[in-house]
Amino acid sequence: TQLLEQSPQFLSIQEGENLTVYCNSSSVFSSLQWYRQEPGEGPVLLVTVVTGGEVKKLKRLTFQFGDARKDSSLHITAAQPGDTGLYLCAEGMDSSYKLIFGSGTRLLVRP
Amino acid sequence: DAGVIQSPRHEVTEMGQEVTLRCKPISGHNSLFWYRQTMMRGLELLIYFNNNVPIDDSGMPEDRFSAKMPNASFSTLKIQPSEPRDSAVYFCASSTDRGQETQYFGPGTRLLVL
Repeated sequence: TQLLEQSPQFLSIQEGENLTVYCNSSSVFSSLQWYRQEPGEGPVLLVTVVTGGEVKKLKRLTFQFGDARKDSSLHITAAQPGDTGLYLCAEGMDSSYKLIFGSGTRLLVRP
Repeated sequence: DAGVIQSPRHEVTEMGQEVTLRCKPISGHNSLFWYRQTMMRGLELLIYFNNNVPIDDSGMPEDRFSAKMPNASFSTLKIQPSEPRDSAVYFCASSTDRGQETQYFGPGTRLLVL
């Protein structure tokens, strides 16, 4: 069974700080998606990465896919309280509808 | 455009009762997913429909769980009889094509079985 591990599990930081969260697999990803889930809502897709070494930016968020496609990171610059939420990575299986979700990183950005 | 609609948003019931969760996917989407989210197990896929047909129900916990999709705009997830360990947030999601596209999640139904 493929394992998708996220770290850290919890992160509490002050507004304006930078942070990085990680997503690691025991096997090679075919594709990787990052979602953010706000309290009381469903997950919302932030980005999809498919190519090893790929870097994508979404405003203050930078997503990186490892060269070997077994890991990914999400870096947030100058975090804001609106960034608070559960960040989930999800692995897409080859030629399949299935997404395998990681356990998530709960981020709290204090004003 | 309306997103995925789920009802009810909250459900509190007693053990042994039947629970029915409802989902209206985004119009034009032909893939529908039911997920369950708990602190212990995270977000788990229960069942996947494509063009109203159940394709993969391997995630359905046991026979107490059943799901239907009678048409392209409506799906139900039923638990009968419910048990306390079924307490979780249940999400419905829809997408175009076969799911490798973006999955759009509903707001979820928070279920508490006493």
